[in-house]
Amino acid sequence: DTGVSQNPRHKITKRGQNVTFRCDPISEHNRLYWYRQTLGQGPEFLTYFQNEAQLEKSRLLSDRFSAERPKGSFSTLEIQRTEQGDSAMYLCASSGTRDRGYGYTFGSGTRLTVV
Amino acid sequence: GQNIDQPTEMTATEGAIVQINCTYQTSGFNGLFWYQQHAGEAPTFLSYNVLDGLEEKGRFSSFLSRSKGYSYLLLKELQMKDSASYLCAVSPGGYQKVTFGIGTKLQVIP
Repeated sequence: DTGVSQNPRHKITKRGQNVTFRCDPISEHNRLYWYRQTLGQGPEFLTYFQNEAQLEKSRLLSDRFSAERPKGSFSTLEIQRTEQGDSAMYLCASSGTRDRGYGYTFGSGTRLTVV
Repeated sequence: GQNIDQPTEMTATEGAIVQINCTYQTSGFNGLFWYQQHAGEAPTFLSYNVLDGLEEKGRFSSFLSRSKGYSYLLLKELQMKDSASYLCAVSPGGYQKVTFGIGTKLQVIP
């Protein structure tokens, strides 16, 4: 069990550029979540996958955001035409074991800075 | 919808005991989680409560009262490394999507 892996750890981009983040969950976990966290706030839900199916997408996610999880393995989160308000930590989490109430295991996050 | 309240900041002394409270109002309930988050790092799982009562795990304990919509996290024998934010989070049910509170930033002082 290598945990949840996220890449890159940091991303600085110019306003208007597109960015893509990757998340590799714990292999036996079938549930994968994306959250966004800004300074001084708790994580905010963005979207959720069970295997390859995207089951919910928050209204926080505008049309510029898209997420995929091909074949129910890794997931990508793409932000098109980035804006300064997109600057945040993007957290990926996976879950799949009932003994912890399906509690999340988080990746280290990708910190996005839009300049 | 979900509403989770917890204090934004607390300060406690090394070696002491601190209790971090959390109240919640949710449309459904299927468990309450506590996570620890050090500055600049991802949250890590601390505890899970689904039934009323106290769950003890080493220096950390978590309590739940479903009828009162109330939980607390108790940290004993505080250490400097316990300085972190503590996130209360609730699962309303279904596919276990979790809603997080704002987090309580705990500072442990010598």
